[in-house]
Amino acid sequence: GNSVTQMEGPVTLSEEAFLTINCTYTATGYPSLFWYVQYPGEGLQLLLKATKADDKGSNKGFEATYRKETTSFHLEKGSVQVSDSAVYFCALTGANSKLTFGKGITLSVRP
Amino acid sequence: DAGVIQSPRHEVTEMGQEVTLRCKPISGHDYLFWYRQTMMRGLELLIYFNNNVPIDDSGMPEDRFSAKMPNASFSTLKIQPSEPRDSAVYFCASTPRGAGNYGYTFGSGTRLTVV
Repeated sequence: GNSVTQMEGPVTLSEEAFLTINCTYTATGYPSLFWYVQYPGEGLQLLLKATKADDKGSNKGFEATYRKETTSFHLEKGSVQVSDSAVYFCALTGANSKLTFGKGITLSVRP
Repeated sequence: DAGVIQSPRHEVTEMGQEVTLRCKPISGHDYLFWYRQTMMRGLELLIYFNNNVPIDDSGMPEDRFSAKMPNASFSTLKIQPSEPRDSAVYFCASTPRGAGNYGYTFGSGTRLTVV
């Protein structure tokens, strides 16, 4: 079946540091890939997506590239801000529009 | 659009009581999902509907849990009787046909505490 593996957390960075959060997946067919963000006390919000190999999703300074050869969709940001502190989930779609989520990783950014 | 609307935002109830959580999906979305989130287990898919019909309820933990979708604009998740281990944040999400292009839109969740 489909699965998503995220790097272990939590991650703590200083403001303006470079961010990479690793995500790899196992899936049949050609899934779409997503990153969701959850701010404290809120629901999950779609951050970015990529629907086919080599697509790059981007939003709010975050980027991720759909790498079919390495089955990866790593999230990057060049300079994080305190306001980026949140939980980040990698996910993919499978059959019947079901999303499979990773376990999530907590990012804390220090001023 | 107001997004996916869940109510109540917070619910505190005593063990043994019935709890009903409510969700209004985005108009025109064919799919509706109920998730539960806890620190220990992360996000768990409980059940999902397509065009108001339950498609997969394999994630519903036990018979104490039931979900209905009487029409395209309303769904409920009921726990009867509730237990302390049901304490979690419950999310509802919806998507139009073809989640691969759109992803899900989540509600703000209901934080349930069973004492």
